[in-house]
Amino acid sequence: SQQGEEDPQALSIQEGENATMNCSYKTSINNLQWYRQNSGRGLVHLILIRSNEREKHSGRLRVTLDTSKKSSSLLITASRAADTASYFCATDPAGGTSYGKLTFGQGTILTVHP
Amino acid sequence: GAVVSQHPSWVICKSGTSVKIECRSLDFQATTMFWYRQFPKQSLMLMATSNEGSKATYEQGVEKDKFLINHASLTLSTLTVTSAHPEDSSFYICSARGLQIGGAGGNTIYFGEGSWLTVV
Repeated sequence: SQQGEEDPQALSIQEGENATMNCSYKTSINNLQWYRQNSGRGLVHLILIRSNEREKHSGRLRVTLDTSKKSSSLLITASRAADTASYFCATDPAGGTSYGKLTFGQGTILTVHP
Repeated sequence: GAVVSQHPSWVICKSGTSVKIECRSLDFQATTMFWYRQFPKQSLMLMATSNEGSKATYEQGVEKDKFLINHASLTLSTLTVTSAHPEDSSFYICSARGLQIGGAGGNTIYFGEGSWLTVV
């Protein structure tokens, strides 16, 4: 399956700063999800935004979706050292039988310095 | 919330042997499970889609005879890496799709914790 693109590939910031990660994809989607992965560990689901939504918030997270540009962004506000991880976007394709068959982006490695 | 359990979390095996990884949905029935592979510092790549009671559907480039998938019940899918080689060393992670028992309904996706395979 084709992989989406994420940028930046790596992001290094200071605690308290905001972090913005972008994701682009290629096919029609049912929804787009963001996940966090700590080194060597499983995935933590952060937020899901449906194709008919444009923006969604969850705590310090803000996700936008622009289906016309096939792109999404994840903003983490007031970052903390504990936010250090890899972040992946994943698209869920349109079409009911493929629900859950996710295509992951390349990921952004976020490092938050205390 | 729903839990998907993978076992083992870590496994080391000798080259040429086979190793089985289990993916179990603990409080819901998973009609479909997905298996992904992740090499170090890379993204997750879908390997196959596993449907209960039928043959798995493999993604292009994934050898079905090498990565055997069995989904014999609504709560268990297994991935067997046969005749493992060092290049098969990777992080394998499953996800499950299904209706949560007593939940709000609708399909939801849950990921297991992943399994590290090292072939020596």
